[in-house]
Amino acid sequence: QSALTQPASVSGSPGQSITISCTGTSSDVGSFNLVSWYQQHPGKAPKLMIYEDSKRPSGVSNRFSGSKSGNTASLTISGLQAEDEADYYCCSYAGSSTYVFGTGTTVTVL
Amino acid sequence: QVQLVQSGAEVKKPGASVKVSCKASGYTFTGYYIHWVRQAPGQRLEWMGWINPNSGGTNYAQKFQGRVTMTKDTSISTAYMELSSLRSDDTAVYFCARGGYNSGWYAGGFFDYWGQGTLVTVSS
Repeated sequence: QSALTQPASVSGSPGQSITISCTGTSSDVGSFNLVSWYQQHPGKAPKLMIYEDSKRPSGVSNRFSGSKSGNTASLTISGLQAEDEADYYCCSYAGSSTYVFGTGTTVTVL
Repeated sequence: QVQLVQSGAEVKKPGASVKVSCKASGYTFTGYYIHWVRQAPGQRLEWMGWINPNSGGTNYAQKFQGRVTMTKDTSISTAYMELSSLRSDDTAVYFCARGGYNSGWYAGGFFDYWGQGTLVTVSS
C-alpha cells in the first residue's frame, strides 16, 4: 500500500489561509468517505483534526476544515496562527480493514 | 476522560523481540478497536494494524505480516503489540490509537485518542 501524497511543506503568514492536499487513488481516498487529518507537534502524539472527510471533532477550532474531490482530499486552515505550526498527516481507509497515511506536510507560520 | 497509557522506552538488539503495552481507561475497552501506528525518526506515520478487543480479531498491514502480533487482556483493559526479528530500521516511536467508531465500522474509521508513544531503539 503506497502512502498518500502530500506536499512536503506549506507556509503562510498569520491570518492567511493555507490548504494542504492529500492525493490517493480510487482504491482509498476516492472510494470511501473516510479521510481523516491529524496535527502533530514535535515530540507529541498526533491529534485528530478532521474525520469522515469534513467533520470536525468537538473542541477543534472551526478554522480547520476538510473537503474532498475525487481522489484528492484537502485540509484548509484559515486565520493561520502561530500555534498551527506543526506537521499534518492525512489518513484514509484503504479497504479490507486497512489504513494508509499520507507523506506528511510541515506547516510553517512566517 | 479517555486515556491510553503506553509502556516505557525499550532498547533491543537486532533479532530480538519487543512487546509494547497500551492501557485504556475512561471508556468501555471492548467497545472500540485499538490500532498501532509507528513513526521512525523524522519520518511519516505508518499504520501497522489493529486488534478488536472484544473478539481478539486482528488485521495487520502486509509489511508487518509474520513479524507482528497484537493481543489484549480484557481483564486489565490493555492491548499489546509485539514485533519480532527486530532490525535497525524498526527504531521508531510506536503509538496505540483508538478507532473512533464504537460500532466497529471499518475497524474504527479514524483515530480519536492516542497513547503518548513508546520509543523502541534497535541497536547492537
